[in-house]
Amino acid sequence: KQEVTQIPAALSVPEGENLVLNCSFTDSAIYNLQWFRQDPGKGLTSLLLIQSSQREQTSGRLNASLDKSSGRSTLYIAASQPGDSATYLCAVRRGTDKLIFGTGTRLQVFP
Amino acid sequence: DVKVTQSSRYLVKRTGEKVFLECVQDMDHENMFWYRQDPGLGLRLIYFSYDVKMKEKGDIPEGYSVSREKKERFSLILESASTNQTSMYLCASSSRDIAIQPQHFGDGTRLSIL
Repeated sequence: KQEVTQIPAALSVPEGENLVLNCSFTDSAIYNLQWFRQDPGKGLTSLLLIQSSQREQTSGRLNASLDKSSGRSTLYIAASQPGDSATYLCAVRRGTDKLIFGTGTRLQVFP
Repeated sequence: DVKVTQSSRYLVKRTGEKVFLECVQDMDHENMFWYRQDPGLGLRLIYFSYDVKMKEKGDIPEGYSVSREKKERFSLILESASTNQTSMYLCASSSRDIAIQPQHFGDGTRLSIL
């Protein structure tokens, strides 16, 4: 059974820091891995999707990597800003269309 | 941009009521999903649909049903609402190319059952 774990559960950093969020999964047979952002009381916003054949994807200050063999993905946020404060979720896509989600990392960036 | 619209942001219902949650997407996506999100449990898949009139059970389908009569609309039905169905409900859609296309989510419906 696929399990997805995110560490740390919460993170508080000063503005300007570069930071790394971690995601690990137990079964490497995945179609892709997706990173989402969720603001309080809102839905999920898709940030990056890495296909199983890819190693990384970049969008602006965000960079996500994927190492299927070790069952790990990292989301790197450069030069963090208070507006980056949110919960970040990773999810792996298995089988047909099912996404298996981690429980998220709650990030707070203070000025 | 893909837009997934859920009909209500907040909803309060009573136990035993039949509750309908509606979701509409505007990108002609084949696949649609209903999740619920609870603290400490994360997001869990309730039902999904590959096409009109098609439905598949997710991980926690008990107490729910769905309807997909039109491609753009996917409804979640609580047949007889109970307090343990108080939760945040999230709808999502994606195209058929599951390897490269992300799931897009609506803003969620926070449902309270009294």
